[in-house]
Amino acid sequence: ELKVEQNPLFLSMQEGKNYTIYCNYSTTSDRLYWYRQDPGKSLESLFVLLSNGAVKQEGRLMASLDTKARLSTLHITAAVHDLSATYFCAVDSGGGADGLTFGKGTHLIIQP
Amino acid sequence: DGGITQSPKYLFRKEGQNVTLSCEQNLNHDAMYWYRQDPGQGLRLIYYSQIVNDFQKGDIAEGYSVSREKKESFPLTVTSAQKNPTAFYLCASSPFAGVSGYTFGSGTRLTVV
Repeated sequence: ELKVEQNPLFLSMQEGKNYTIYCNYSTTSDRLYWYRQDPGKSLESLFVLLSNGAVKQEGRLMASLDTKARLSTLHITAAVHDLSATYFCAVDSGGGADGLTFGKGTHLIIQP
Repeated sequence: DGGITQSPKYLFRKEGQNVTLSCEQNLNHDAMYWYRQDPGQGLRLIYYSQIVNDFQKGDIAEGYSVSREKKESFPLTVTSAQKNPTAFYLCASSPFAGVSGYTFGSGTRLTVV
């Protein structure tokens, strides 16, 4: 059974600081996804990581994937208040047809 | 514009009542999914369908039923057998196996009254 673990589950940080969210998964994965969710809203796709060593960046967010360690990271650089949200990683191990397995999410609060 | 439409946005269910959540997509995606989200939790897979007239149970299928009579539609029925149905329900779709990318609907918030 595929398990996906995120840590930390809750993070409060100040604007301007850097931090990393970690996502570990238990079995071989085809793809790894990062999503953002605002309160009461649906999921917004941030990154899709397809291969070992993949790195993607968008603004202050950068995601990477190490398939050998079964680890993905989401790095936040010089955080701003607008990045406050819940971030989920999700793993697709069924070739794209069996759905995603999600971590429990990291609730991120960025304070001025 | 292509996308997934979920309705209603809010739904209230009385004890012992069955309710149906709608999910329609115009993306021509083969696969469709239903997820449940509880407060402070990740999403858990209820049912999924890879092709019309076929569907599989996910991790928490008990108390739910689905149908896939048309490619673009995948309704979810929450039956009276589901003891704790209050949650946020998200529908998603994806192209068939081998192609990356999932599209999520805006969600239905179901509350038992």
